[in-house]
Amino acid sequence: AQTVTQSQPEMSVQEAETVTLSCTYDTSESDYYLFWYKQPPSRQMILVIRQEAYKQQNATENRFSVNFQKAAKSFSLKISDSQLGDAAMYFCAYRSPRPQGGSEKLVFGKGTKLTVNP
Amino acid sequence: KAGVTQTPRYLIKTRGQQVTLSCSPISGHRSVSWYQQTPGQGLQFLFEYFSETQRNKGNFPGRFSGRQFSNSRSEMNVSTLELGDSALYLCASSWGRDRGRRGTEAFFGQGTRLTVV
Repeated sequence: AQTVTQSQPEMSVQEAETVTLSCTYDTSESDYYLFWYKQPPSRQMILVIRQEAYKQQNATENRFSVNFQKAAKSFSLKISDSQLGDAAMYFCAYRSPRPQGGSEKLVFGKGTKLTVNP
Repeated sequence: KAGVTQTPRYLIKTRGQQVTLSCSPISGHRSVSWYQQTPGQGLQFLFEYFSETQRNKGNFPGRFSGRQFSNSRSEMNVSTLELGDSALYLCASSWGRDRGRRGTEAFFGQGTRLTVV
């Protein structure tokens, strides 16, 4: 079974600075999807960024980028120019590829609470 | 377009009672997944429905059940509630099939906060 580990329960960053959240995973599959989700106090999970394992190029979405190291099974999230609105719980998640009839199941890490200091 | 809607937002129940939570997915989405979120266990997968059929199930006791209707709306039911069932229950919807090689994004509702007393 796949597992996802986030080793940093809490992180803090100064506004406008850069922070990196760590995530490692364990799988025997060669193709899969990785995600970072953000959960603000409103509780709604919001997709921040996704990475397909078959792509070597790291995904980027505006101020958010990932460092995907497939051999090391590492998937870190870098937030540049941090803003107060970035404060939230961040979850790393894994999803298997879906052959026909497959599942949408996401396996989540325990999360990292990010605080942004003004 | 409207997002994923979960009702009710908050619920307080007594031990031994049963509860039904509802999830309306985004229009056109056919897959609905349910997750339980607690401080101790984090986010745990309960089950997933696609076109009214359970496609996957997590490691939860039989007191947890679900179903999906022809309009893709889904309900989950917990019978004989225990104190440990107190949690945030999240529903996620997606197309359920790969749209090209990109894969599909799961959209989450705001959850139902269940408190068992």
